[in-house]
Amino acid sequence: DAKTTQPNSMESNEEEPVHLPCNHSTISGTDYIHWYRQLPSQGPEYVIHGLTSNVNNRMASLAIAEDRKSSTLILHRATLRDAAVYYCILGYALNFGKGTSLLVTP
Amino acid sequence: DAMVIQNPRYQVTQFGKPVTLSCSQTLNHNVMYWYQQKSSQAPKLLFHYYDKDFNNEADTPDNFQSRRPNTSFCFLDIRSPGLGDAAMYLCATSREARSYEQYFGPGTRLTVT
Repeated sequence: DAKTTQPNSMESNEEEPVHLPCNHSTISGTDYIHWYRQLPSQGPEYVIHGLTSNVNNRMASLAIAEDRKSSTLILHRATLRDAAVYYCILGYALNFGKGTSLLVTP
Repeated sequence: DAMVIQNPRYQVTQFGKPVTLSCSQTLNHNVMYWYQQKSSQAPKLLFHYYDKDFNNEADTPDNFQSRRPNTSFCFLDIRSPGLGDAAMYLCATSREARSYEQYFGPGTRLTVT
């Protein structure tokens, strides 16, 4: 399974945009890129997924590099409720990496 | 409106005493998954059912078993819990296998004494 690399932690101010990076240099051509997040004391929650084109939904945007070796999850205006661990997952693998712990400060 | 329900939310068992965790879903999804999440770690897939077909991850210990008597319910049986099995157990569902969106329950936190 292709591996992902994410920063261990990031910090953002409330109401500012947040860009969460994910490197996946060994991604295969058919691997979708998924993002989940896990709020404290809750199960993971689906955020967004994409293959090649950038994607938008009500929660976030996903920007995928042209070579697909990296992607960025964009939260347009961080709120305190967005504080969570964000996981970038590739393809059909249901294996969560370590993720990025996002801290949002007022 | 709960979609993936896990009971109980907290379970305490004794070392070596069998324990069963339950999961039910109102989504009528074909696939149900069990994950183990230890403190400060990412969720780790144990196994999943596609309908009645059971799929075990290669490194899931034999101590862990699962049953899915019908579409709505799935159980995780730990035959002889050890101290190392203390963790959060998460149940998830998806409409189809390898579907992109999994719906997770709130988890059952297992303590082994």
